[in-house]
Amino acid sequence: GAVVSQHPSWVICKSGTSVKIECRSLDFQATTMFWYRQFPKQSLMLMATSNEGSKATYEQGVEKDKFLINHASLTLSTLTVTSAHPEDSSFYICSASVSGGPYEQYFGPGTRLTVT
Amino acid sequence: AQTVTQSQPEMSVQEAETVTLSCTYDTSESDYYLFWYKQPPSRQMILVIRQEAYKQQNATENRFSVNFQKAAKSFSLKISDSQLGDAAMYFCAYRGYNTDKLIFGTGTRLQVFP
Repeated sequence: GAVVSQHPSWVICKSGTSVKIECRSLDFQATTMFWYRQFPKQSLMLMATSNEGSKATYEQGVEKDKFLINHASLTLSTLTVTSAHPEDSSFYICSASVSGGPYEQYFGPGTRLTVT
Repeated sequence: AQTVTQSQPEMSVQEAETVTLSCTYDTSESDYYLFWYKQPPSRQMILVIRQEAYKQQNATENRFSVNFQKAAKSFSLKISDSQLGDAAMYFCAYRGYNTDKLIFGTGTRLQVFP
């Protein structure tokens, strides 16, 4: 089946620094990738949608300048949390899909970010 | 705007028994897709089952089946012969026909007792 990887699985960074999370589709070309944020015991909150080679579309309330998304190829998207603060600590999940049709989203295993 | 509601924050079931998780949604679209995802303690999201709205037949995947009531906008998940490995958070999700975005419900935590 389709596999999506995320790296790193867990990262700790200091307040004020930036951290990059990678999302890769390993065995298929993803026309669209999604970034979610999940707080403990809560549902997934969509942050942004990115298509290869174009700018990401951010959901309302998500700061574009804080959460930089780059979808450089059909197999790689990155999320950079800039000037991280403790309130950015969360679980970040990416997913990838092939646009159109009944295609499902394939989810990565997630990245736990802790900002100290 | 579309919404997905899961009214059961927690459910429990005895091993080998059957449990049904509820999901309702609101939409003005006639064509769409519905999904149930499982999130075990590892937090890896796993697709359990998918239903296309234009199909009247309820989807089934081994021990998992759905009761899709389009007019009532209801999409429940039935797990038969529950196993300890079924313990997880279950999320109901909606996807419009012309979009790739998923709208998730708030989730139902399922506990399975031996």
